[in-house]
Amino acid sequence: EVQLVESGGDLVKPGGSLRLSCSASGFTFSNAWLTWVRQAPGKGLEWVGRIKSKTSNEATDYAAPVKGRFTISRDDSKDTVYLQMSSLKAEDTAVYYCAAGLCVGADCHWDDAFETWGQGTMVTVSS
Amino acid sequence: QSALTQPASVSGSPGQSITISCTGTSSDVGLYNYVSWYQQYPGKAPKLIIYEVSNRPSGVSNRFSGSKSGNTASLTISGLQAEDEGDYYCSSYTTTNTLSVFGTGTKVTVL
Repeated sequence: EVQLVESGGDLVKPGGSLRLSCSASGFTFSNAWLTWVRQAPGKGLEWVGRIKSKTSNEATDYAAPVKGRFTISRDDSKDTVYLQMSSLKAEDTAVYYCAAGLCVGADCHWDDAFETWGQGTMVTVSS
Repeated sequence: QSALTQPASVSGSPGQSITISCTGTSSDVGLYNYVSWYQQYPGKAPKLIIYEVSNRPSGVSNRFSGSKSGNTASLTISGLQAEDEGDYYCSSYTTTNTLSVFGTGTKVTVL
């Protein structure tokens, strides 16, 4: 079974840091590009960032609101992707999901169609 | 990068068809055929129901269909059922560094 499981969510003070983890199983993790999406309470989905595979130099891209504060990394030996968050703000309060794209045969939609999602982990930024 | 625009709510009676619009720009919906739709129940992760404008992933009901015209994409749910009640989000690949932009979300109510 293809699965993603996030962990690490917590209550953190403004200006603080937190690292989220997303562990994968059921697919070839090393080939996958992984995306983080967040959802503030009662709000819509927001793309946060993405990391490509090692063969694509583990290139990353970030949404403007988090660029320079968030860093996505991966450890293929552990089938895990990370979201390091620093200088956290109240507006970063959200459920954070990791997601993987849909693959139909050899055609993978890493950046435009997210088929596999984790259950989400809650990050609350408050004093 | 602004979110794609969706109606806040759409409702219909069981058995009816409803359509949800998703309006973007010439930098996202209008430029690429990489529009996806997601269904989300409260407290749950989103589920992919349409990709590449009109394709359904394996296992998704054929009551869901998608289309696009210019900068606006649409999701149609036919034969509306109680289980279709939930939130629906569109998304599109985009030329900006954001890569993927989501819609504002539509709450579907089955009357």
